Amino acid sequence: RKEVEQDPGPFNVPEGATVAFNCTYSNSASQSFFWYRQDCRKEPKLLMSVYSSGNEDGRFTAQLNRASQYISLLIRDSKLSDSATYLCVVNTGGGNKLTFGTGTQLKVEL
Amino acid sequence: NAGVTQTPKFQVLKTGQSMTLQCAQDMNHNSMYWYRQDPGMGLRLIYYSASEGTTDKGEVPNGYNVSRLNKREFSLRLESAAPSQTSVYFCATQPGSSGNTIYFGEGSWLTVV
Repeated sequence: RKEVEQDPGPFNVPEGATVAFNCTYSNSASQSFFWYRQDCRKEPKLLMSVYSSGNEDGRFTAQLNRASQYISLLIRDSKLSDSATYLCVVNTGGGNKLTFGTGTQLKVEL
Repeated sequence: NAGVTQTPKFQVLKTGQSMTLQCAQDMNHNSMYWYRQDPGMGLRLIYYSASEGTTDKGEVPNGYNVSRLNKREFSLRLESAAPSQTSVYFCATQPGSSGNTIYFGEGSWLTVV
């Protein structure tokens, strides 16, 4: 089993739709969780950290489920500009070891 | 992305040639990383440096060497390039502990023919 797994997609959704991505992780001792966004041929950039109690930033909501070992990202009212690949990032081994998922591709269409 | 600067942005090498990818940061971060990104594989850690003067192997270190010249600079060297090293390379920095955000450079596209 991979340390961090994501559905690669692509998720094709109409503008204005709500879409959700999940990411599962295998190490129950993982402590830090993030969602990064990566545009085509660009570097990954932090979208949001994921806190135990869940957190929201505008149209984006991140949640953590430790019992089932997954994190989720919900995007409401999708915009064309949300089209990108979303990377799940988990601190899997303590110290500075961050493990990246392979990413979920989102395409928002008119 | 003025915080983390990578050079060169694009490079084509012949098999067996050597080259060094340069990375410099002006964010005063302790930790620096080199990742490679390949289709379907995600980002994989090559080497990292938790602080000036220290370096450690990551997930895929074979065929690479690194040097943490000072707090600002962390270079990645390919001694004898192979086609399997064709990839996009990202340098990244982090303030300190694992709970902090990691910041990436714009990437270096390397092709080995």
